[in-house]
Amino acid sequence: KAGVTQTPRYLIKTRGQQVTLSCSPISGHRSVSWYQQTPGQGLQFLFEYFSETQRNKGNFPGRFSGRQFSNSRSEMNVSTLELGDSALYLCASSLAAGPMNTEAFFGQGTRLTVV
Amino acid sequence: GESVGLHLPTLSVQEGDNSIINCAYSNSASDYFIWYKQESGKGPQFIIDIRSNMDKRQGQRVTVLLNKTVKHLSLQIAATQPGDSAVYFCAEGITGGGNKLTFGTGTQLKVEL
Repeated sequence: KAGVTQTPRYLIKTRGQQVTLSCSPISGHRSVSWYQQTPGQGLQFLFEYFSETQRNKGNFPGRFSGRQFSNSRSEMNVSTLELGDSALYLCASSLAAGPMNTEAFFGQGTRLTVV
Repeated sequence: GESVGLHLPTLSVQEGDNSIINCAYSNSASDYFIWYKQESGKGPQFIIDIRSNMDKRQGQRVTVLLNKTVKHLSLQIAATQPGDSAVYFCAEGITGGGNKLTFGTGTQLKVEL
């Protein structure tokens, strides 16, 4: 069974630009969460999507947004990029069949560098 | 100026010894806990999870212990191998709160030959 796939693996963008990252979850998984990982702040939760609806949101500015499609694939978008947005962006997929938390499996991440 | 990185605690063990990695979690409402392993250049890899109705759970070469009284979690790795070298994170979640996880800062495990 294929794992979580994130594309692209690497990105270099200029300050002020916007970027879209993609995540394909494990087949059958309905929950997709996004995390930002930096040396300074560690792993921080951005948001979670379940059945095309945002179910949870972390403490990030409105420049960070996401969506989920009917096939559970998800995208996240960052507008007006800042140098501090340079990070590894990780996507995690979960079965989430009921109220109980289920194992979250991570992709390899997208390494975003803002110059 | 430059941002200061998180100082990751480091645990160095000899190959074949047992390793114990500790984690203090923050939210007394958390009832679901996971340990992840992250190797350089890769995403976190699920190791083992435990729910708050248990205080111990065993996997292959790993054991997780949960002490809710002091909000402490530990991961024990038996017969540590060079391939166990990585950063280990604990994460906490809340049933019914979706799949949002709050991660600890991580511990760097170094296995010496």
